[in-house]
Amino acid sequence: AQSVAQPEDQVNVAEGNPLTVKCTYSVSGNPYLFWYVQYPNRGLQFLLKYITGDNLVKGSYGFEAEFNKSQTSFHLKKPSALVSDSALYFCAVRDTNQGGKLIFGQGTELSVKP
Amino acid sequence: EAGVVQSPRYKIIEKKQPVAFWCNPISGHNTLYWYLQNLGQGPELLIRYENEEAVDDSQLPKDRFSAERLKGVDSTLKIQPAELGDSAVYLCASSSGDRASADTQYFGPGTRLTVL
Repeated sequence: AQSVAQPEDQVNVAEGNPLTVKCTYSVSGNPYLFWYVQYPNRGLQFLLKYITGDNLVKGSYGFEAEFNKSQTSFHLKKPSALVSDSALYFCAVRDTNQGGKLIFGQGTELSVKP
Repeated sequence: EAGVVQSPRYKIIEKKQPVAFWCNPISGHNTLYWYLQNLGQGPELLIRYENEEAVDDSQLPKDRFSAERLKGVDSTLKIQPAELGDSAVYLCASSSGDRASADTQYFGPGTRLTVL
């Protein structure tokens, strides 16, 4: 079965420091991987995706993610965190066996302190 | 361009009452999804439409949940009767159907349902 794991429920970083939110996946075939962010009482906002090509994917708001096939990981990164980055982050994989539904991880709460 | 629109944003009902949620997808998006998000968890698919056709409703509890997308645009998700365990956020998403670009899904703000 295809799945996504986010091993950290919460990540705490100081403003200005680099941040990493971890994600590992298990799929059959080539993965289509996504990161979404959710602010309180809001829907999910698309950040970035990996389809093929360069392992480093750049997305919205200065975020990027690194695809690592050997480690089956797709970690989200940002060189310098902002307080406004504090939110809930979801990693997802597109289920190629069932025509397009997204399988989400449990989410990681990112807290950036001034 | 307008995003995915959902209404209402919040709904509080007594158990055993019916409730309906409405979604208007991004213009031109043929594929529409309804997801359920329980507190502290990632969303889970309830149903997926390609135009008017429900192509994946395997996770929809059909004894009490129903959905429709009559003209291939707006969609309505209904629960009748609601149970306490239905309290959650119901998210609607849409995508263009472009498999080559991995068919990115764009989400609405969700409807937060509280069943008392």
